[in-house]
Amino acid sequence: GAVVSQHPSRVICKSGTSVKIECRSLDFQATTMFWYRQFPKQSLMLMATSNEGSKATYEQGVEKDKFLINHASLTLSTLTVTSAHPEDSSFYICSASSLGYEQYFGPGTRLTVT
Amino acid sequence: RKEVEQDPGPFNVPEGATVAFNCTYSNSASQSFFWYRQDCRKEPKLLMSVYSSGNEDGRFTAQLNRASQYISLLIRDSKLSDSATYLCVVTPGPSGGSYIPTFGRGTSLIVHP
Repeated sequence: GAVVSQHPSRVICKSGTSVKIECRSLDFQATTMFWYRQFPKQSLMLMATSNEGSKATYEQGVEKDKFLINHASLTLSTLTVTSAHPEDSSFYICSASSLGYEQYFGPGTRLTVT
Repeated sequence: RKEVEQDPGPFNVPEGATVAFNCTYSNSASQSFFWYRQDCRKEPKLLMSVYSSGNEDGRFTAQLNRASQYISLLIRDSKLSDSATYLCVVTPGPSGGSYIPTFGRGTSLIVHP
């Protein structure tokens, strides 16, 4: 299957700081990238959908000014968690899709805000 | 009614057993269907796509029933390594105007010796 990388895999930051997470499709061009969040023992929650060159579409309840998404190219999307708080601690996973078919997931980023 | 529903389980089965999961979906315009597997604290990995004619990959068989709007996953000869959460994913096609996939909450499978 296609390969999607995510960086960093784990990050610990202090409350109030910002954290950027990168998601790259390594061997295909991703027309759409998705950002998910998963709390322990809960299901994946879609945060936003990002199409290359256009603004991301956020799910209800997700603050677009807090979770900044940039999808500058067909192989790279970034999620910046601004002014992080402990309640933002979670497992953030990106996925990439080409023309709406299978999604390929990155390995996830475990964010801990202290 | 939720868009994609799965029995959360857990399904607790012995090694070698056959186990089946169903997943129902509400959007009749859905075009693409997938089963993913997610291990604890890991990202989901694509297990198999589900085609109208059904498809089989080794011990795994997936089927689609459009009339009743459900997909199924059958695992034969269960292995300990099959223990995971199985996620059903449904995606509308172009006629739905969006490719945003909808995930089920997952079905937990525990295979014991």
